[in-house]
Amino acid sequence: RKEVEQDPGPFNVPEGATVAFNCTYSNSASQSFFWYRQDCRKEPKLLMSVYSSGNEDGRFTAQLNRASQYISLLIRDSKLSDSATYLCVVRLTYNTDKLIFGTGTRLQVFP
Amino acid sequence: NAGVTQTPKFQVLKTGQSMTLQCAQDMNHNSMYWYRQDPGMGLRLIYYSASEGTTDKGEVPNGYNVSRLNKREFSLRLESAAPSQTSVYFCASSGRASSGNTIYFGEGSWLTVV
Repeated sequence: RKEVEQDPGPFNVPEGATVAFNCTYSNSASQSFFWYRQDCRKEPKLLMSVYSSGNEDGRFTAQLNRASQYISLLIRDSKLSDSATYLCVVRLTYNTDKLIFGTGTRLQVFP
Repeated sequence: NAGVTQTPKFQVLKTGQSMTLQCAQDMNHNSMYWYRQDPGMGLRLIYYSASEGTTDKGEVPNGYNVSRLNKREFSLRLESAAPSQTSVYFCASSGRASSGNTIYFGEGSWLTVV
């Protein structure tokens, strides 16, 4: 089983739609969680960290469910510019800088 | 701000040739990483270095060697390139875990082995 798993998609949604992605992780000791965005043929860039209490950044909301070992990303009012691949990232232990990436979920927003 | 700089951006190698991918960061980060990204496989960690002078194997280290020359630089070497090493390679760096641990990537190196 992969340490971090995501549905590869693609998710095809119209502009203005709300879309949600989930990501599951296998190591219950995982400490920190992030969502990264990657555009085609570009490097990944941090979208947002995921905190235990859940957090919001504009149209983006991230949540963590430790009991079920998954994190989620909700995008409201989708824009064409949101089209990208969204990578779930997990840091396994508190004192390590080693990060594990999921394979990514592709989002395509159409007019 | 340069951030993470990696070279070359594109390279074509013949099977059996060797080459080194160079990476440098100017953010005074302790940790540096080399990932490869293949279609459907996501980013896979090749090697990482938690500090100057230390390196550790990641998920897919076979066929690669690394060198953490100093705090700024972390190079990846292919001693005898194989077609299976055709991929996009990303160098990255991050600060200490306790400081938020955002990881910053270079722009990638597209390597083709024929």
